[in-house]
Amino acid sequence: EIVLTQSPGTLSLSPGERATLSCRASQSVSSSYLAWYQQKPGQAPRLLIYGASSRATGIPDRFSGSGSGTDFTLTISRLEPEDFAVYYCQQYGSSPAITFGQGTRLEIK
Amino acid sequence: QVQLQESGPGLVKPSETLSLTCAVSGYSISSGYYWGWIRQPPGKGLEWIGSIYHSGSTYYNPSLKSRVTISVDTSKNQFSLKLSSVTAADTAVYYCARVAVAGTDYWGQGTLVTVSS
Repeated sequence: EIVLTQSPGTLSLSPGERATLSCRASQSVSSSYLAWYQQKPGQAPRLLIYGASSRATGIPDRFSGSGSGTDFTLTISRLEPEDFAVYYCQQYGSSPAITFGQGTRLEIK
Repeated sequence: QVQLQESGPGLVKPSETLSLTCAVSGYSISSGYYWGWIRQPPGKGLEWIGSIYHSGSTYYNPSLKSRVTISVDTSKNQFSLKLSSVTAADTAVYYCARVAVAGTDYWGQGTLVTVSS
């Protein structure tokens, strides 16, 4: 099973700042099958990025994904108030075990 | 617009079987994609339970495999989850979702299942 480790656990930033979230895999992940999700309290996760760097439908271009192999990054270029949430990475290429990272909480500083 | 809706008991007794159904609208399960179940204990992260294809092929989380059964009913356009021998550790919000090559793109709103006597 591929273990995904996200860092930092909590990130405190102000609106307008740049956020960089990391996801490291215990073994190589196919870039085609690395995704990022945003989750707000009381809501289901929302797909932001798939294939490591492709934005899902309707996702603003301030969200971008990059990386390959075992190291992946989600970048939010300029934080908007609605971006403060929990973010999860997910690998879904190594069936049967699809796994999530433990999450990064992005909070307002 | 694809929509998914979970349904089932919100309270299950320890050692019993948790049963949930996910009704899909706006897309025919028979047309393709995998369909999955994910859970989230209160205040914790996401855990993948398993996935099923319209043909019935399944993939399960190895840590839950011995207790999980996912099935599909294409005539009703729905799929189901059964988790046996539940304990308090199985208390969680359970989500159903559509699994695409381009990520898990549609999710249900989630349903809280509490395991308690």
